[in-house]
Amino acid sequence: DAGVIQSPRHEVTEMGQEVTLRCKPISGHNSLFWYRQTMMRGLELLIYFNNNVPIDDSGMPEDRFSAKMPNASFSTLKIQPSEPRDSAVYFCASSLTVNTEAFFGQGTRLTVV
Amino acid sequence: KNEVEQSPQNLTAQEGEFITINCSYSVGISALHWLQQHPGGGIVSLFMLSSGKKKHGRLIATINIQEKHSSLHITASHPRDSAVYICAVKVDYKLSFGAGTTVTVRA
Repeated sequence: DAGVIQSPRHEVTEMGQEVTLRCKPISGHNSLFWYRQTMMRGLELLIYFNNNVPIDDSGMPEDRFSAKMPNASFSTLKIQPSEPRDSAVYFCASSLTVNTEAFFGQGTRLTVV
Repeated sequence: KNEVEQSPQNLTAQEGEFITINCSYSVGISALHWLQQHPGGGIVSLFMLSSGKKKHGRLIATINIQEKHSSLHITASHPRDSAVYICAVKVDYKLSFGAGTTVTVRA
């Protein structure tokens, strides 16, 4: 398996634009997590899906952020409109079950100017 | 106060030296992860453990559940081990992360 695949690896966008980050979890994994990493706050959980259903989105910073998982092999994290303070590295991770080891993607480095 | 405390924050070693990174946590957990992140790179899971000790190559991770403490050891360190090492504790489905330990191994 190729591991967790995220795209794009880097994204630079202007304030106010819509940004969509993509994630393909490892095949067969039923748990998917979106994390955000910043210098100030480190790694934070944004949202957790189990069997494609959002279980906990309490970490989503505000209504500008939304995430979907239309099927077991694809998830998106959307920011609309984007703001400079959204600049961070966004990681997707998946695990076979909620109790097993999580595997992380390479991350998407987002810069909002 | 963070639920997960790592020490030291930064560590510099000469190639070949034995390195230890410590992680203390304050909550009941189901498992603990050690993660590695190279500069500008992704996050690699090194270990997930809930008791005892695990070894992979030159890396050894131990955990003492009663003392709420874990250590990551790197034996015969090499410049390619230079990275940030992150301890993360699992409570239900949530991971809480330490701030990371930046390790630099000089040739």
